[in-house]
Amino acid sequence: HSALTQPASVSGSLGQSITISCNGINSDVGDYNYVSWYQQYPGKAPKLIIYDVTHRPSGVSNRFSGSKSGNTASLTISGLQTEDEADYYCSLYTSTNKIFGGGTKLTVL
Amino acid sequence: QFQLVESGGGVVQPGRSLRLSCAASDFSFKYYVMHWVRQAPGKGLEWVAVTTYDGAKNYYADSVKGRFTISRDNSKNTLYLQMKSLRPEDTAFYYCARDSGAGAFESWGQGTLVTVSS
Repeated sequence: HSALTQPASVSGSLGQSITISCNGINSDVGDYNYVSWYQQYPGKAPKLIIYDVTHRPSGVSNRFSGSKSGNTASLTISGLQTEDEADYYCSLYTSTNKIFGGGTKLTVL
Repeated sequence: QFQLVESGGGVVQPGRSLRLSCAASDFSFKYYVMHWVRQAPGKGLEWVAVTTYDGAKNYYADSVKGRFTISRDNSKNTLYLQMKSLRPEDTAFYYCARDSGAGAFESWGQGTLVTVSS
């Protein structure tokens, strides 16, 4: 698999919705491809917020949602709040490789 | 709430070795696939290695293959990362992470910093 490409930064106003894209999700025949998303605050460990493209772990706000179309996965955050300001990483997990996107810094205006 | 606690980081000279540990508590460690993931200061995440439930199968990123060895001791609920021939580009926070069973890193430790510098 080639690299996963994310925008370096996105911004949105309080209450708005934003979408972060992750390009390069290529499906291999006979392989499994799991897409997940992580939130990371400065100086903290990453936190899983979306797994298997669309699923939210218990305790994660339903303002976070994931989707996939073709080779692009997307993370949408609705009703932006100040605590959403963080770095976000997508990940592709296959039987032979596990790769992360370069990360996107979300600024809440 | 279960925990993953990494230790063993520090400053090491290029070419030397270091072993990291990840102590797991309050969950059945022996039933989980475990990973190491690293993050250079100010940079993105990079998967390093994975080990199966019993440690019988291990896989590595190309950047560390042949230099790093992942292992586990299920009797001690501990994951290890033996790092040899360290390079300055190995400088990073190293996190252990529990596999979700559905292709995700579901829980992470707080990380331990490895600095490779002369």
